[in-house]
Amino acid sequence: KAGVTQTPRYLIKTRGQQVTLSCSPISGHRSVSWYQQTPGQGLQFLFEYFSETQRNKGNFPGRFSGRQFSNSRSEMNVSTLELGDSALYLCASSSGPGEETQYFGPGTRLLVL
Amino acid sequence: AQTVTQSQPEMSVQEAETVTLSCTYDTSENNYYLFWYKQPPSRQMILVIRQEAYKQQNATENRFSVNFQKAAKSFSLKISDSQLGDTAMYFCAFCTLPGTYKYIFGTGTRLKVLA
Repeated sequence: KAGVTQTPRYLIKTRGQQVTLSCSPISGHRSVSWYQQTPGQGLQFLFEYFSETQRNKGNFPGRFSGRQFSNSRSEMNVSTLELGDSALYLCASSSGPGEETQYFGPGTRLLVL
Repeated sequence: AQTVTQSQPEMSVQEAETVTLSCTYDTSENNYYLFWYKQPPSRQMILVIRQEAYKQQNATENRFSVNFQKAAKSFSLKISDSQLGDTAMYFCAFCTLPGTYKYIFGTGTRLKVLA
């Protein structure tokens, strides 16, 4: 099976812009989670989607949003970018209830100038 | 609040030697999973090993094994016969049951295997 894929892999934006990141889970996986990884804060949970519904949300401002499509692909959007949003954004997928192991994608590295 | 603590920011080990990475966690839950993930430089995070809290037997995957002490809330990773390819950041993570994928991660231990 193909692993979790994320696009784009690298992105440069300027403050105030918005950005959309995409994640395709492993085939058959219905849960997709997003994490932000920074040197200062480490790995922080953003949100998790299962069957197109957001089930969990981390402590991030409303500028961070996401959605999941019927084919389980997920997107996250960050509006009004700030310098502090520069990070590696990781997507992880899991098959669903009863299987708590997540499999991570390579990440999208976002640089905000 | 649920927390995961990795008290060793950096470690090094000679090739072929054994090294143990520490992880402690805090939770009031009784059912949960614990994980060790490895993130090599500029490469994606991969699962090393996982442990179900209800299982007393320590998990083992080839050269990787854990020492799970539920009462002490400790979950250390032992790497035997260390290889150069083991050089990576190692993250301890925790999630509660049932059915939530909200992982709490530790801050990571940077392991360098020396030739």
